Amino acid sequence: QKEVEQNSGPLSVPEGAIASLNCTYSDRVSQSFFWYRQYSGKSPELIMSIYSNGDKEDGRFTAQLNKASQYVSLLIRDSQPSDSATYLCAVNEDDKIIFGKGTRLHILP
Amino acid sequence: GAGVSQSPRYKVAKRGQDVALRCDPISGHVSLFWYQQALGQGPEFLTYFQNEAQLDKSGLPSDRFFAERPEGSVSTLKIQRTQQEDSAVYLCASSSRVTGTPKEYTIYFGEGSWLTVV
Repeated sequence: QKEVEQNSGPLSVPEGAIASLNCTYSDRVSQSFFWYRQYSGKSPELIMSIYSNGDKEDGRFTAQLNKASQYVSLLIRDSQPSDSATYLCAVNEDDKIIFGKGTRLHILP
Repeated sequence: GAGVSQSPRYKVAKRGQDVALRCDPISGHVSLFWYQQALGQGPEFLTYFQNEAQLDKSGLPSDRFFAERPEGSVSTLKIQRTQQEDSAVYLCASSSRVTGTPKEYTIYFGEGSWLTVV
């Protein structure tokens, strides 16, 4: 099974600042990339999916993909306390989705 | 249904007991996934179905774990002779995507079944 690597954190960011979350993956043929948010005791919920190189923006969230570097990131602008959660990077390996261990994000009020 | 439904939500099993976890996917979703998530870890892939066919079971940790989806809808994950290391949240997810179609798709998770083996 290929790997998805994330810094476990915690990453502490002041309220209103930009939070930057990073992920690398090992499978060069992966085509689908996802960011999930998981609150403590809850199941993962999809925030962003990205399939092409470059940036994809949705509200305060921007996903960035660089297939040559096997790197995907998530930027959260104007961070809010409600953004405090674990962020899971996920990548397809064939028909299944493989998850990283997640980065804990803490927004400081 | 409106979402992926899992039961039981919480299960305490004595070591050595068999357990069965049920997943009812979103209506019409052909793909169904099982994941195991230990505390502080990301979800670990267990197995994947397309309709009733189990296409990948490479993540099942031992032969004590067995999954089925006999009619291509509801799925059951069975764990025989439970051990303490089986304590985790078992997440079920479903997707409308079919193998061989473009990879732009979303998987939707249920709330999970929390298993504690004592």
